[in-house]
Amino acid sequence: EIVLTQSPGTLSLSPGERATLSCRASQSVGSSYLGWYQQRPGQAPRLLIFATSTRATGIPDRFSGSGSGTDFTLTISRLEPEDFAVYYCQQYGSSATFGGGTKVEI
Amino acid sequence: EVQLVESGGRLVKPGGSLRLSCAVSGFKFRSYVMNWVRQAPGKGLEWVAAISSSSSYIYYADSLKGRFTISRDNAKSVLFLDMNSLRAEDTGVYYCARGDDYGEMDSWGQGTLVIVSS
Repeated sequence: EIVLTQSPGTLSLSPGERATLSCRASQSVGSSYLGWYQQRPGQAPRLLIFATSTRATGIPDRFSGSGSGTDFTLTISRLEPEDFAVYYCQQYGSSATFGGGTKVEI
Repeated sequence: EVQLVESGGRLVKPGGSLRLSCAVSGFKFRSYVMNWVRQAPGKGLEWVAAISSSSSYIYYADSLKGRFTISRDNAKSVLFLDMNSLRAEDTGVYYCARGDDYGEMDSWGQGTLVIVSS
């Protein structure tokens, strides 16, 4: 099973700042098989990024993804108030697993 | 509009069984892989199971050890999760999610709450 480790666990930032979230895999993940999700309190997760760097429908361009192999990054260029949430990476190339999440808080 | 609506969650005693359902609309259900994902209270997401469009391929998280069974009824556009030998650690919100081209989960239901407690 591929284990995904996200860091940091919590990121404390202000609106307008840049957020950089990391996801490290225990073995190589194909670039087509890495995604990122946002979950706000009391809501279902929402797909942000798939195939490492492709934004899902309706996702603003302040969200971007990058990486390869075992190291992947989600960047939020300028935080908006609605971006304060928990973010999960997921690999879906070998079965499926989620990372433990990064909480972005004010 | 794509909609996924889970149901069937409730309070159940340890060792009990439960069937969850996910009714979908707004897309061609028979063409998509479908997943169940769960979330324990205050914890992260855990993928549970996936089923291919024709039910030919089925996958489970290793941790479930054969206690759960995923199935689907393409004629009625419904996804199921049968859960047996339930334990306290199975408590949480269970989501169904549609799998897109590479397996990313692009649409989610709002979840159904399962509580396993005596």
